[in-house]
Amino acid sequence: TQLLEQSPQFLSIQEGENLTVYCNSSSVFSSLQWYRQEPGEGPVLLVTVVTGGEVKKLKRLTFQFGDARKDSSLHITAAQPGDTGLYLCAGEGRSGGSNYKLTFGKGTLLTVNP
Amino acid sequence: GAVVSQHPSWVICKSGTSVKIECRSLDFQATTMFWYRQFPKQSLMLMATSNEGSKATYEQGVEKDKFLINHASLTLSTLTVTSAHPEDSSFYICSARLAGSGGYEQYFGPGTRLTVT
Repeated sequence: TQLLEQSPQFLSIQEGENLTVYCNSSSVFSSLQWYRQEPGEGPVLLVTVVTGGEVKKLKRLTFQFGDARKDSSLHITAAQPGDTGLYLCAGEGRSGGSNYKLTFGKGTLLTVNP
Repeated sequence: GAVVSQHPSWVICKSGTSVKIECRSLDFQATTMFWYRQFPKQSLMLMATSNEGSKATYEQGVEKDKFLINHASLTLSTLTVTSAHPEDSSFYICSARLAGSGGYEQYFGPGTRLTVT
């Protein structure tokens, strides 16, 4: 069974601060995806990282995939209240046979206070 | 692109009745769709993998006779909660798998809030 440990689980910061969310596993994933979810809505895909050591930037968000493809981080610079939400990391791997599935971390509930 | 819809967005039903939730990929074909369940402020729990034209693969602990999944076409998967009970009340979300520029990605529907009274 593949597990993804996501931390921190809760984070409350002031507008303008920086933050980093971590996802760690002992398993290797073929890809890792980061999502943001708002209450009552489905998760929205932010980025997919595939190559070990890969770094992707999305405005103030920087995503990194570990060299061994077992861990990933999300760094937000100068957080804004609009960044508030549940951030989920998810690694894709085989679930048996030809099936693939996403293994989700527990999520990080981020609150950015004005 | 890569839009997934769900219907209904919310439903209230009485104990013992059945409820069907539809998941559609609007602008792409999806041979594989997934059904998740989510409790408040928690992460998503995979219930089953739905493959077009074949039986769904259920995760351990998920009753296949209670949560019926049908993936009859490349753009539609349905989840039927049979003989619903209050403990089945939850947020149900589907996703569809699509090959992207960086490998396969999953796109999620907006979710269906089920309340069983």
